Amino acid sequence: EIQMTQFPSSLSASVGDRVTITCRASQRISSWLAWYQQKPGKAPRLLIYKASGLQSGVPSRFSGSGSGTEFTLTISSLQPDDFATYYCQQYDNYLYTFGQGTKLEIK
Amino acid sequence: QVQLQESGPGLVKPSETLSLTCTVSGASVTSSSYYWVWIRQPPGRGLEWIGTLYYSRTTYYSPSLRSRVTISGDTSKNQFSLNLSSVTAADTAVYYCASGYVVGAHDGLFDYWGQGTLVIVSS
Repeated sequence: EIQMTQFPSSLSASVGDRVTITCRASQRISSWLAWYQQKPGKAPRLLIYKASGLQSGVPSRFSGSGSGTEFTLTISSLQPDDFATYYCQQYDNYLYTFGQGTKLEIK
Repeated sequence: QVQLQESGPGLVKPSETLSLTCTVSGASVTSSSYYWVWIRQPPGRGLEWIGTLYYSRTTYYSPSLRSRVTISGDTSKNQFSLNLSSVTAADTAVYYCASGYVVGAHDGLFDYWGQGTLVIVSS
């Protein structure tokens, strides 16, 4: 089973800041990585697919990069609506796994 | 637009079987264009994929749950279901059904989600 490790586990930032979240896979997964945003009491929402593809309807301030084992999600200028928990997920094979999440909080 | 809605008991006794249903609208569970998934999230914790149903093909289950999980479809009701046997308190979680588009060798995106349903395992 591929293990996904995210860091940091939590992050405090201010509106307008640029933030980066990192996700590391325990083995190479090419670009088969997705990012999700989850707000309290809600289902996750797909933001990024195939490491850097922006899902339809997602603001362009979100971007993803990386391949192999190291990936990043960047929010270029934080907006109030962006404070949430973010998860990476690999889909290199049929045994999907998620990172443990990064909680983004308002400073 | 696919819409998903979970239903089932909110309280299950230890050692019993947890059974949940996901009602699908906007697509057919028999469609070869979609796969159907269960994911859970213990309170205050992260997401865990449970398993995937390809209606005309096969199922895949998390290795850690494989011995206790069954996911199946009901064409007459356009639903798919989760059965998890021999539950313990560790199975307490919000259970989500989700779905994605079949694209080939690297399926695994979850485009559509239900709202989730909390299941507590307690006597």
